[in-house]
Amino acid sequence: LAKTTQPISMDSYEGQEVNITCSHNNIATNDYITWYQQFPSQGPRFIIQGYKTKVTNEVASLFIPADRKSSTLSLPRVSLSDTAVYYCLVGDINAGKSTFGDGTTLTVKP
Amino acid sequence: DAGITQSPRYKITETGRQVTLMCHQTWSHSYMFWYRQDLGHGLRLIYYSAAADITDKGEVPDGYVVSRSKTENFPLTLESATRSQTSVYFCATTPGQRFSGANVLTFGAGSRLTVL
Repeated sequence: LAKTTQPISMDSYEGQEVNITCSHNNIATNDYITWYQQFPSQGPRFIIQGYKTKVTNEVASLFIPADRKSSTLSLPRVSLSDTAVYYCLVGDINAGKSTFGDGTTLTVKP
Repeated sequence: DAGITQSPRYKITETGRQVTLMCHQTWSHSYMFWYRQDLGHGLRLIYYSAAADITDKGEVPDGYVVSRSKTENFPLTLESATRSQTSVYFCATTPGQRFSGANVLTFGAGSRLTVL
């Protein structure tokens, strides 16, 4: 299984930029890095996905260094509604070779 | 409505009873998955299916049975429920093919199961 390591929790304040780093030392050549967000009592939902360098969408940015052994999810100007658990995932999901860690609980304070 | 739906959303049962959680998707996606999430932890893969009549074990398959006679349905059965199976169960699907590292999961709303 492709395992990942993330900080257990992070705190931030409204309006700040938040960076959450994920370590995935055994990432395979074909693996993409995918981040999900989960609110209480809901299933995780897709945020962003990348293979290398930088990816940006309307919600977040994803930075991936050349060796791809880690990645950083960047949330610009967070609000209270960004309080959630964030998971990074690598590996071939459809082959059952990907696993969710415990994620990072982000708490945004006013 | 298009999407992925789970039923029941909430279920209370007793130890030793059989319970079936249903998952239905309207996209005709090939792959479907069952995860469990225990309080304060991440999701663990129970079983997954690549197509009708094709299923594979995940990380924690013991105590669970799955079937997939139709592409759109993927029921999960606890043949003899135990207290350790109290959890929130999520069904998910991906449209992608095997050996693609870019597949993205879409999850259902979850089924909260309590075993007394």
